[in-house]
Amino acid sequence: QSVLTQPPSVSAAPGQKVTISCSGSSSNIGFTYVSWYQQVPGTAPKLLIYDDTKRPSGIPDRFSGSKSGTSATLVITGLQTGDEADYYCGAWDISLSAGQVFGGGTKLTVL
Amino acid sequence: EVQLVQPGAEVKKPGESLKISCKGSGYAFTNFWVAWVRQMPGKGLEWMGIIYPADSDTRYSPSFQGQVTISADKSINTAYLQLSSLKASDTAVYYCARHVDPEALSSRFDYWGQGTLVTVSS
Repeated sequence: QSVLTQPPSVSAAPGQKVTISCSGSSSNIGFTYVSWYQQVPGTAPKLLIYDDTKRPSGIPDRFSGSKSGTSATLVITGLQTGDEADYYCGAWDISLSAGQVFGGGTKLTVL
Repeated sequence: EVQLVQPGAEVKKPGESLKISCKGSGYAFTNFWVAWVRQMPGKGLEWMGIIYPADSDTRYSPSFQGQVTISADKSINTAYLQLSSLKASDTAVYYCARHVDPEALSSRFDYWGQGTLVTVSS
């Protein structure tokens, strides 16, 4: 059971928009910034979004992040077949068992 | 170019030990925390712990405390993850990653190694 909650899967057609939610609590998302990672099967995760909304150099603006309270959202517009991957949210948790926590991951299928 | 290089795969028998390496290059290795992240087959990401190579300050996830040992040799820009008394359930991919701002508001992993697939089987 992951500390952060994501939907197991989402799907959409090429060119469409998809949103992936990430729900946490006041000791993680509600207190610290959220980051998002893309993992294409068989490869290492890649940082997509950090500090809730910022994109590292080289990440297209089709990927965007937002946060409200204890929930965060990743939005991908103009879907491409290459976006098919697993997406994970992450945040630092300040509770007694402090540490980095992740969502369980969301598998994006581009139909 | 920032790189974290790990061995691709290791095969071990139950009860054996293993030390996985992660060699950093392209940046000031001692100035950034290095994290270890486990991914069991078909499952999500689990943070195991971190080390600051400059002084080997180490933090462990409560889930992995006492089960693994994280170390570093700053003279060769390399971090290590040691797994002991391996069991079949330790079969997983283990990633190292550069962990920016752990224990702070902006915690994130900006560069990742390619992962080491550890298979434990008799």
